[in-house]
Amino acid sequence: KAGVTQTPRYLIKTRGQQVTLSCSPISGHRSVSWYQQTPGQGLQFLFEYFSETQRNKGNFPGRFSGRQFSNSRSEMNVSTLELGDSALYLCASSPLLAPVGEQFFGPGTRLTVL
Amino acid sequence: KNEVEQSPQNLTAQEGEFITINCSYSVGISALHWLQQHPGGGIVSLFMLSSGKKKHGRLIATINIQEKHSSLHITASHPRDSAVYICAALPTDSGNTGKLIFGQGTTLQVKP
Repeated sequence: KAGVTQTPRYLIKTRGQQVTLSCSPISGHRSVSWYQQTPGQGLQFLFEYFSETQRNKGNFPGRFSGRQFSNSRSEMNVSTLELGDSALYLCASSPLLAPVGEQFFGPGTRLTVL
Repeated sequence: KNEVEQSPQNLTAQEGEFITINCSYSVGISALHWLQQHPGGGIVSLFMLSSGKKKHGRLIATINIQEKHSSLHITASHPRDSAVYICAALPTDSGNTGKLIFGQGTTLQVKP
């Protein structure tokens, strides 16, 4: 089975722009979670989607949004980019509704905001 | 104080040494994950624990729910074990989702 894929792998944007990142989960996985990793804050949970519904959301401003399509692929969008949004954005997919499933991580998208 | 604390933050070992990384958490959890991150960013899930002990090759993970503490042990360490090790807790109020709380990570360097 192919692993979790994320596109693009690297991205450079300027302040004020918006960006869309994509995540394709492992075939058959219906849960997709997004995380942000920065040197200062470490890894933080952004949001999680299951069957096109956002099930949980972390403490991030409304500029961060996401969605999931019927094929379980997910996108996250950041509007009005700030310098502090520079980070590695990781998504992970999980096959199980219950019990808690193992997370399979993608390679990440490294976003640089200039 | 962070809800998930790891120690040590940095660890240097000689090849062959036994290594222990500790993780303490202050919230009730459904499960605890141990993750490995190599330079370049890719993360691999090593273990998911809700009780007891798990072993995979040279890696052993234990958890004590009453003490809210978990440990990751590496036996006969090797330079290829050099990576950042991250523990991540899934709080009980998160349901069966990916809403993990992460420790700050332990950077391990194993010298030949």
